[in-house]
Amino acid sequence: EDQVTQSPEALRLQEGESSSLNCSYTVSGLRGLFWYRQDPGKGPEFLFTLYSAGEEKEKERLKATLTKKESFLHITAPKPEDSATYLCAVPPYSGGGADGLTFGKGTHLIIQP
Amino acid sequence: DTEVTQTPKHLVMGMTNKKSLKCEQHMGHRAMYWYKQKAKKPPELMFVYSYEKLSINESVPSRFSPECPNSSLLNLHLHALQPEDSALYLCASSPGPPGGYGYTFGSGTRLTVV
Repeated sequence: EDQVTQSPEALRLQEGESSSLNCSYTVSGLRGLFWYRQDPGKGPEFLFTLYSAGEEKEKERLKATLTKKESFLHITAPKPEDSATYLCAVPPYSGGGADGLTFGKGTHLIIQP
Repeated sequence: DTEVTQTPKHLVMGMTNKKSLKCEQHMGHRAMYWYKQKAKKPPELMFVYSYEKLSINESVPSRFSPECPNSSLLNLHLHALQPEDSALYLCASSPGPPGGYGYTFGSGTRLTVV
């Protein structure tokens, strides 16, 4: 059974204070790892897909990296508008059937002005 | 069009009511999903349609009934719900069968059962 564990559960930073969110995973076979951002009462917003160890992707103040066991979402000089819950997820390996994304529990990020 | 559109955005229903949630995408995606999300929890998968064929999640109560009229539309019919069914219901789609493709989520329907 695929497992995704995110840490920390919650993180409070000052504006401009850089940090990293962790997503560790145990899967039978990796077909990608997804990062999403979710604002309260809204659907998850896609950020990145990573497919292989060593891969990195960037978008504005966010950079996602992937190793064979975990992924990091680095946030550089964050702003209050970066406050949200960040979700990590992996798709099913076998494909087909009644399988959807396996989500971590998320990291609730608060950026204080 | 790179969006998944869900209607209504908010719904309040009594335990004896029948209502439907609707979801639409025009990205040519062939897999569509219903997820349920409770506060401070990650989304939980309810149903998967892949190439308009339903994969049943047997843990979902029969008071939830999905329908996929065509490859662009997905409905969730609700009947005799319980207050604990109050949640954010999310629709998502992906290009092919469930697998290593990006999933696009809608904004959700906030359902309150009274």
